[in-house]
Amino acid sequence: GQQLNQSPQSMFIQEGEDVSMNCTSSSIFNTWLWYKQDPGEGPVLLIALYKAGELTSNGRLTAQFGITRKDSFLNISASIPSDVGIYFCAGPSDNFNKFYFGSGTKLNVKP
Amino acid sequence: NAGVMQNPRHLVRRRGQEARLRCSPMKGHSHVYWYRQLPEEGLKFMVYLQKENIIDESGMPKERFSAEFPKEGPSILRIQQVVRGDSAAYFCASSPPSKLAGRRDTQYFGPGTRLTVL
Repeated sequence: GQQLNQSPQSMFIQEGEDVSMNCTSSSIFNTWLWYKQDPGEGPVLLIALYKAGELTSNGRLTAQFGITRKDSFLNISASIPSDVGIYFCAGPSDNFNKFYFGSGTKLNVKP
Repeated sequence: NAGVMQNPRHLVRRRGQEARLRCSPMKGHSHVYWYRQLPEEGLKFMVYLQKENIIDESGMPKERFSAEFPKEGPSILRIQQVVRGDSAAYFCASSPPSKLAGRRDTQYFGPGTRLTVL
């Protein structure tokens, strides 16, 4: 199956700092998805990207679909304590019959 | 508008017992996906179902695991003769029916069932 590698694995930052994380794939994806998972809950979709080079924002979150279609980036500006959680990238197979998830970036924010 | 519901939230079984996990998709959704998540790992796709049909079960172990999504009622993931390695969080996600494959990226996840095998 497709491999999605996320980095960094974890981050410890101060409230107010900006955060960057990325996701790379061994193969091309035509859609990139970013999710956040809080402890004990299911993932929640943050941003969906559909075109190579696309830059999409959702509040303080901005994500980009890499030109090669093998990577994607998520930035969080002015982090706040409720940003704590695990962020996953994901991509579907071409027929959307299955979705591949990265191993996650765990974000810790110190107030 | 109720979200995706999963029950039970926590399930404890002894080795050799059966585990039945239920997923009620959002109202009007006819696509269900099941995933398994081990601690500190991402979600691993198991199976994709539409009403009364298994569309893709390539992520599901060939033995002991089965899934269904009947015409009426919730989707069920069934694990027979559980072993310790089956301990994990199991999530289902639903998405609305659409002829446009692109709409199926809008998956809504349930809160998960945490299975512990003693």
